[in-house]
Amino acid sequence: EAGVAQSPRYKIIEKRQSVAFWCNPISGHATLYWYQQILGQGPKLLIQFQNNGVVDDSQLPKDRFSAERLKGVDSTLKIQPAKLEDSAVYLCASSSPSGDSYEQYFGPGTRLTVT
Amino acid sequence: QQPVQSPQAVILREGEDAVINCSSSKALYSVHWYRQKHGEAPVFLMILLKGGEQKGHEKISASFNEKKQQSSLYLTASQLSYSGTYFCGTRGGGGNKLTFGTGTQLKVEL
Repeated sequence: EAGVAQSPRYKIIEKRQSVAFWCNPISGHATLYWYQQILGQGPKLLIQFQNNGVVDDSQLPKDRFSAERLKGVDSTLKIQPAKLEDSAVYLCASSSPSGDSYEQYFGPGTRLTVT
Repeated sequence: QQPVQSPQAVILREGEDAVINCSSSKALYSVHWYRQKHGEAPVFLMILLKGGEQKGHEKISASFNEKKQQSSLYLTASQLSYSGTYFCGTRGGGGNKLTFGTGTQLKVEL
C-alpha cells in the first residue's frame, strides 16, 4: 500500500513569510498527526485529527500555526508569519484507528529552513 | 513530562547486544518504540501496553515495567542496519497524545 505522502520535501523562506505543507495519509486511516521535529530532538505533536475533527491541538502555537483536514483525508499545515525558531522537520503521520494498539506511519517530512 | 532515555549514545560492534531505557515521571498506559535513520522518517518498532500486550516488528524485544513507569528495548546480535536514533513515545491513561523521548543514537560498526 502507498505510504504517507508529504510535500514539499524542502522549503526555505525568510522570517515573516508564510508557508504551507501538505499531507496525504494512508488510505483509510482516520487519524492524522502533525509533528514538529527540531534537529537532535524527538518529534513533538502539534495537532491530531480524528477524521476531520481536532482531537488535540494543545501544543500548536495558534497565533501563527493553523491546520485543517477537509473531508477527513488530506491535511494542510500553515505557518504565518514564520519565525527563525520554526526551522525544523514537519512530519505527518497517520494511524487506523486511533488508540494505543496501532502504530503510527510517518511520511518523509518537510524540512523547513527559516532565514 | 518528556520521557528520558538512556544512554544518549552508544557504539556497538556488529553482533553485540544493547539495551535502551526509557523512563517517565507519570503513569503510563503504553510505550511505543521507533527508529529513525538520518534524514528519514521514524519507523515503528514496537508497542507495549499496560497489562502486558505487545505488538511489534522484527527481531526486537522490549519490556514495560508499569510500576516503575519504565521501558527497555533490547537489541541482540546487532546488525549494521540497526544504526539510527531510537525514540520511545509514551502515552498516559488520561490522554491520547504520544510524547516522544530525548532519543538514543546507536551506531553499529564492523
